[in-house]
Amino acid sequence: EPEVTQTPSHQVTQMGQEVILRCVPISNHLYFYWYRQILGQKVEFLVSFYNNEISEKSEIFDDQFSVERPDGSNFTLKIRSTKLEDSAMYFCASSGGQGARTEAFFGQGTRLTVV
Amino acid sequence: AQSVTQPDIHITVSEGASLELRCNYSYGATPYLFWYVQSPGQGLQLLLKYFSGDTLVQGIKGFEAEFKRSQSSFNLRKPSVHWSDAAEYFCAVGGYNTDKLIFGTGTRLQVFP
Repeated sequence: EPEVTQTPSHQVTQMGQEVILRCVPISNHLYFYWYRQILGQKVEFLVSFYNNEISEKSEIFDDQFSVERPDGSNFTLKIRSTKLEDSAMYFCASSGGQGARTEAFFGQGTRLTVV
Repeated sequence: AQSVTQPDIHITVSEGASLELRCNYSYGATPYLFWYVQSPGQGLQLLLKYFSGDTLVQGIKGFEAEFKRSQSSFNLRKPSVHWSDAAEYFCAVGGYNTDKLIFGTGTRLQVFP
C-alpha cells in the first residue's frame, strides 16, 4: 500500500539552527501539506502546496518557514532559525485532489526537539 | 471561531465492550467531518468521513460515526472493541473552500483484556 514517508523520525537541533524536514509523498499525489503537533496540544495546519506554490498557509507559517519540492519525489519543510517553541511532531500529508473532500494520507511524523 | 473539542483525553475500556468517543465542533460553514486514528509510531490514518447525505457513516475497522447538526457533534462508535484498537483518535473538521483541517486534541484509547 502506498504511504507517505518522513525522515528523520526524530531530529534534535540547537536553537537558532536551520532544519529541513523531509517527506516523500505518495507518487501520484499532487497536493502536499504540513501539520504540526506540539506535545499535548492539537494537530495544527501549517501549509498546503500545489503546482510549486503555496495554496494556503496558517498564521503559524511565518517567514521562518518555507516549503519546497526540490525534485519529483521530495517535499521539504525548512525552519530557518529554530526556536524552542518549534519543538513539535511535524506531519507531512499528501492527497490526490484539492481541498478537504479529498482524503489526505499522513506520514508517521518527525519529532523535532529544539534545545 | 472554528474549533474541534474532544472532551475525553483518555478512555479505558475492556476488550469486547462498546465504545463511544465524543467530538463537538464549531464551524461557520457546512462542515466536512473526519475521524483519524494514530497508532504508536504510525501516521494518521483516516477511519471515516462525512460530507453530506446519510448522517450515519461507516468506516474501516468496524467504526461508525453519526453527524448530529443540532448538537454540532460527530461521535465515533464501535460496538465491540478489540485490543488492537488501542491508539489515539482525532476528530477533525474542514470545509469546501479550504485545504485546512482543524483537529481536536485527541482521545487516547486504552483497551484492557
